[in-house]
Amino acid sequence: EDKVVQSPLSLVVHEGDTVTLNCSYEVTNFRSLLWYKQEKKAPTFLFMLTSSGIEKKSGRLSSILDKKELFSILNITATQTGDSAVYLCAVNQGSQGNLIFGKGTKLSVKP
Amino acid sequence: NAGVMQNPRHLVRRRGQEARLRCSPMKGHSHVYWYRQLPEEGLKFMVYLQKENIIDESGMPKERFSAEFPKEGPSILRIQQVVRGDSAAYFCASSRGTQGNTIYFGEGSWLTVV
Repeated sequence: EDKVVQSPLSLVVHEGDTVTLNCSYEVTNFRSLLWYKQEKKAPTFLFMLTSSGIEKKSGRLSSILDKKELFSILNITATQTGDSAVYLCAVNQGSQGNLIFGKGTKLSVKP
Repeated sequence: NAGVMQNPRHLVRRRGQEARLRCSPMKGHSHVYWYRQLPEEGLKFMVYLQKENIIDESGMPKERFSAEFPKEGPSILRIQQVVRGDSAAYFCASSRGTQGNTIYFGEGSWLTVV
């Protein structure tokens, strides 16, 4: 059965800390891996990764994919309270474009 | 450029009533997806549609649920004879295509069945 597993499920840090969120997957026909940020409303797109070893970066956020070991990490440096959210990892598999989501990592950043 | 638009944002229905959720994709997007998010659960794929066609409905319950994306107008997710277990957030997403195209989400429709 195709699945996406995220860890940890929740994380509490203080402003300024650096965090690493993990996502591992087992799917039959991998096409891409996506990260979203969800703050009680629409999941907001962060990154789409298709190739191993190429880091994608946007401000304090970065992500990388390892297709051999079947995982991805999302790093957030110098965290701020506005980073508090649920971070969702999803894998696009097959040709139909539907996504398989993990349960998310709930990040809480304390002042 | 407006994003994916969903309405209503919140809907309350009594058991046995019908719920209709609407989704207008982003401009230029012809692929629509519906996902359901139960409390404390991840997003689960329900159905994938292109204009006038259901491409993949493997995630949609066989009974009471239906979806359409007509040639004109929004995509509609219809739930007949709602039960308490249907209470969830229903997210619509859209993309320009399927090959390497980012999927963007709407703000969701929160259905509460009382």
